[in-house]
Amino acid sequence: GAGVSQTPSNKVTEKGKYVELRCDPISGHTALYWYRQSLGQGPEFLIYFQGTGAADDSGLPNDRFFAVRPEGSVSTLKIQRTERGDSAVYLCASSLVDRSYGYTFGSGTRLTVV
Amino acid sequence: GESVGLHLPTLSVQEGDNSIINCAYSNSASDYFIWYKQESGKGPQFIIDIRSNMDKRQGQRVTVLLNKTVKHLSLQIAATQPGDSAVYFCAEKNQGGKLIFGQGTELSVKP
Repeated sequence: GAGVSQTPSNKVTEKGKYVELRCDPISGHTALYWYRQSLGQGPEFLIYFQGTGAADDSGLPNDRFFAVRPEGSVSTLKIQRTERGDSAVYLCASSLVDRSYGYTFGSGTRLTVV
Repeated sequence: GESVGLHLPTLSVQEGDNSIINCAYSNSASDYFIWYKQESGKGPQFIIDIRSNMDKRQGQRVTVLLNKTVKHLSLQIAATQPGDSAVYFCAEKNQGGKLIFGQGTELSVKP
C-alpha cells in the first residue's frame, strides 16, 4: 500500500479482555516497529522486527504483551488481560532497511480499556 | 539512561515568522536524528533527518542543526504557516536501531 495501515483505528475493551492490533507496513519494508504513545508524551518503543523475527523486544512492558510477524509483512500486537494503564495510542512504523532510514508511521490504534 | 528532551513544551509564533524548536539529547553515541511533526489524531510525519557526521541540513522551509559538542538539535521553520501548527518531536536513533523520542513541543501559529 501507499502507507502504513493500522486497524482498527479505535478499540474500546473491558479490563481483563484480550485485544489484537494489526499493522500493514509499506510493501517491501523489511523492518517494522511498534510504539506506544500516551497523551502528551512522545512515542515509546515496544518491539522491532527485521523480517519475521523480533530483533529487539526490550520495550515490551511485561509478558501480557506479545507481537508476531509470521510472514515478514503484516504484524499483530497482542495484549492479554488488558489493564486500564494499557490505554494509549499504539503506533506502527516501517522502514526499507533497518536502523538507517527514516521510519514511516501509521495513524495508530487508539486503545481504551474501561 | 538514554533520553531525548525538548526545552519548551509550547511555542507560539506569528504567521510568517521563523520558528525554532530545540532539543537536547544525552547519548553522544547516537548517529542519526529525525524531526517529526504530529497532528492531532495522526501518526508522526517525517520532516527531516540528519546524520551525526553533519552539522546542518536543509529541506523545503526547514533546517536542522546539530551541535554534537553540547548535544543539541534544533529545527528551524522559515515563514511559519498555520498548517505548521502541530506537535514536533525530535528522535534519536541509538546503536540498537530503535528511535527514542522526546516529549514534544506544541507549535501554535497565530494568523
